[in-house]
Amino acid sequence: ELKVEQNPLFLSMQEGKNYTIYCNYSTTSDRLYWYRQDPGKSLESLFVLLSNGAVKQEGRLMASLDTKARLSTLHITAAVHDLSATYFCAVDMPLNAGGTSYGKLTFGQGTILTVHP
Amino acid sequence: DTAVSQTPKYLVTQMGNDKSIKCEQNLGHDTMYWYKQDSKKFLKIMFSYNNKELIINETVPNRFSPKSPDKAHLNLHINSLELGDSAVYFCASSQPPFLAGLHHEQFFGPGTRLTVL
Repeated sequence: ELKVEQNPLFLSMQEGKNYTIYCNYSTTSDRLYWYRQDPGKSLESLFVLLSNGAVKQEGRLMASLDTKARLSTLHITAAVHDLSATYFCAVDMPLNAGGTSYGKLTFGQGTILTVHP
Repeated sequence: DTAVSQTPKYLVTQMGNDKSIKCEQNLGHDTMYWYKQDSKKFLKIMFSYNNKELIINETVPNRFSPKSPDKAHLNLHINSLELGDSAVYFCASSQPPFLAGLHHEQFFGPGTRLTVL
């Protein structure tokens, strides 16, 4: 059974600081997604990482994927209050080497990020 | 335009009742999903349909029955509601994840908060 673990689960940051959220998963996969959820809201897709070494950046957020280490990171640069939210990584188990799957996402526990002035 | 919509947004009901949640997507996707998010924000997949055919059926009590009248709609019917069914239920959609070469990112609806008293 695929297990996905995020750490830290709670992250309190000061504005302007940098930090990294880690997402470890237990079995081979090269499909990893990062989502953001604001309180009482839906999940907003942030990044789609589909190969080893993939790196994507959007604003102050940068995500990377190391499939050999089964690790993805979400790096926050110069945090601002607007980044306060819960961040989830989700891993899709591939059916075969062709890169297909059933879309059965297994989510991490979520990291609650609070950015203070 | 709303991409994935759900109704109702809030549902408060008594134990033992039967209720339904509706989901519609206008993204032209063939695949739709139901996820449950519990009080600790943990997200778990329940069902997935592709073009009206069930492809994922997780270990969910048979009181939960999904129905897909067409590929743009996936409804969730719950019989004999129990206290433990209280959660937020999210619908999502994507291109078929088992077809290679497509963008398989899942797009989530706004959620339905179900409270069973």
